[in-house]
Amino acid sequence: DTGVSQDPRHKITKRGQNVTFRCDPISEHNRLYWYRQTLGQGPEFLTYFQNEAQLEKSRLLSDRFSAERPKGSFSTLEIQRTEQGDSAMYLCASREGLGYTFGSGTRLTVV
Amino acid sequence: QKEVEQNSGPLSVPEGAIASLNCTYSDRGSQSFFWYRQYSGKSPELIMFIYSNGDKEDGRFTAQLNKASQYVSLLIRDSQPSDSATYLCAVNAGSARQLTFGSGTQLTVLP
Repeated sequence: DTGVSQDPRHKITKRGQNVTFRCDPISEHNRLYWYRQTLGQGPEFLTYFQNEAQLEKSRLLSDRFSAERPKGSFSTLEIQRTEQGDSAMYLCASREGLGYTFGSGTRLTVV
Repeated sequence: QKEVEQNSGPLSVPEGAIASLNCTYSDRGSQSFFWYRQYSGKSPELIMFIYSNGDKEDGRFTAQLNKASQYVSLLIRDSQPSDSATYLCAVNAGSARQLTFGSGTQLTVLP
């Protein structure tokens, strides 16, 4: 599979629990992005990695959110103490040149 | 003012007609412009990108860019029911060259 992979596809969690999502980008792409998309809206930028360095974070990324990309390969996005407002689709994308490729996303539901 | 604005629709066209989708952006420094298609519950998939003024054609799709008017459009010729989806306009900006999306236009092609 040469695309961007995300795991899990769906996650249902209780409010207050921690969740972690994983993204495996296209192997040649050293640029990786996380986005969040809520119903009826376009994806919103959360954070950006170039190799293992996290170079940009949106104001949307509260201190309950943390992202890592150890060794510049896969990335994880963790949400601590989830809130109902965190329910959304979390999308990962990797880029080479102008070619942004999105993964299938992780749909999070906080109950 | 949002950075990227789209008419949310819904837009309905009969099968075989031309669908016209419009987008305006606020940052005059934006250089590259993208159109994505998103089916319900799925991740965005790239239709095409454009960075020079004028038209760019790819099969049934034509993107048009007018930087002076800060306007991007997408024309879909010979629309098919399978084109029914939400169409997202995006520009890349910022130090991370992240994509900033509009809210999307929902298109329905009626058989």
